[in-house]
Amino acid sequence: ETGVTQTPRHLVMGMTNKKSLKCEQHLGHNAMYWYKQSAKKPLELMFVYSLEERVENNSVPSRFSPECPNSSHLFLHLHTLQPEDSALYLCASSQGGADTQYFGPGTRLTVL
Amino acid sequence: GENVEQHPSTLSVQEGDSAVIKCTYSDSASNYFPWYKQELGKRPQLIIDIRSNVGEKKDQRIAVTLNKTAKHFSLHITETQPEDSAVYFCAARNTGTASKLTFGTGTRLQVTL
Repeated sequence: ETGVTQTPRHLVMGMTNKKSLKCEQHLGHNAMYWYKQSAKKPLELMFVYSLEERVENNSVPSRFSPECPNSSHLFLHLHTLQPEDSALYLCASSQGGADTQYFGPGTRLTVL
Repeated sequence: GENVEQHPSTLSVQEGDSAVIKCTYSDSASNYFPWYKQELGKRPQLIIDIRSNVGEKKDQRIAVTLNKTAKHFSLHITETQPEDSAVYFCAARNTGTASKLTFGTGTRLQVTL
């Protein structure tokens, strides 16, 4: 349960705010992911980092900006978000090209 | 890209009965199919997975079957218990990019007493 941690667990922000979500994995993995989970929609992959390089960017708006300073940490910087960006943001990690992804508990984001 | 469809969206069974959730995928190059369980307010957790070189895999009360020809795979839960109540997601991974999983829309399973 503590292999992948995320902070904060809950975040309420206005549309003009700037905030950051943090993810940390303690599993020795070298690939990390950001997903968005909205009600009644499938998990949407946002970004993939492998060996600290971004390898996937699924047409995510520029108001979401990821950062991966090392293989254990992943950030999602948020600015000028819209109410429709309210969702659960999940981080996951895996061992490179290996298949199993382990998820963090998520950050419940509400944009007012 | 890959497209994964999952049915049903909700499923209610009585305790002790079996539950079956089905998924189809579009990309014949997909080779890995995990199933995740997400309890209310918690993170998705892997419960079982299957690779394309295997047709069936079982782990206690949970089994997954894969039909590569038809491009569908199913989750089977036998002797259901109240603690099986959760949302279940299927996913498919193709060989193109670093472990990119495409998820189904989820099935909310309710096990009633």
